[in-house]
Amino acid sequence: DQQVKQNSPSLSVQEGRISILNCDYTNSMFDYFLWYKKYPAEGPTFLISISSIKDKNEDGRFTVFLNKSAKHLSLHIVPSQPGDSAVYFCAATVSNQGAQKLVFGQGTRLTINP
Amino acid sequence: NAGVTQTPKFQVLKTGQSMTLQCAQDMNHEYMSWYRQDPGMGLRLIHYSVGAGITDQGEVPNGYNVSRSTTEDFPLRLLSAAPSQTSVYFCASSPPGRKKAFFGQGTRLTVV
Repeated sequence: DQQVKQNSPSLSVQEGRISILNCDYTNSMFDYFLWYKKYPAEGPTFLISISSIKDKNEDGRFTVFLNKSAKHLSLHIVPSQPGDSAVYFCAATVSNQGAQKLVFGQGTRLTINP
Repeated sequence: NAGVTQTPKFQVLKTGQSMTLQCAQDMNHEYMSWYRQDPGMGLRLIHYSVGAGITDQGEVPNGYNVSRSTTEDFPLRLLSAAPSQTSVYFCASSPPGRKKAFFGQGTRLTVV
């Protein structure tokens, strides 16, 4: 049973446009969510996170939105740049557990076309 | 500024062989974890540790052993390698109370 799901394996976006990556979760105990970015042959790197007490968090070109009632979060990248081409993983945890037990989605491969 | 270091980067094993994947971090983080990444599955937690001498199982622990004798090191042992353990393995660390984990560059393991 996949507790965190990313239903789009891949996404292709034109440079300069908005990229929207989606993630759904089933475990209502999750109260902290993160997005990681992964380039080939490298480890995942932290991108942005959001606590369940918020519905939006922004960091430069990256914004994460959380809809608790729908158990859905999304990552918006605007404007998209070629260097954003990577695999993006959504992850979730229960806040009192810390980061040692992250639950990841399957990942979405984002390709930014020039 | 090394962060999380994993060795080796690549390994080929024969079925039934054993080996240890090394993970070391120099950030004095108490929490460390091992994940495996498989196509279409994302990253799945194998084992984790909240401090020296304390380990626990994650989602997919079968066939793997861990120990944590120091804060810095968290080795992952494959007891008898099977083709199903062909995967990319990532080690991660984080300080307590923080939700952000730092990952190593990964070990690509092939079991033939």
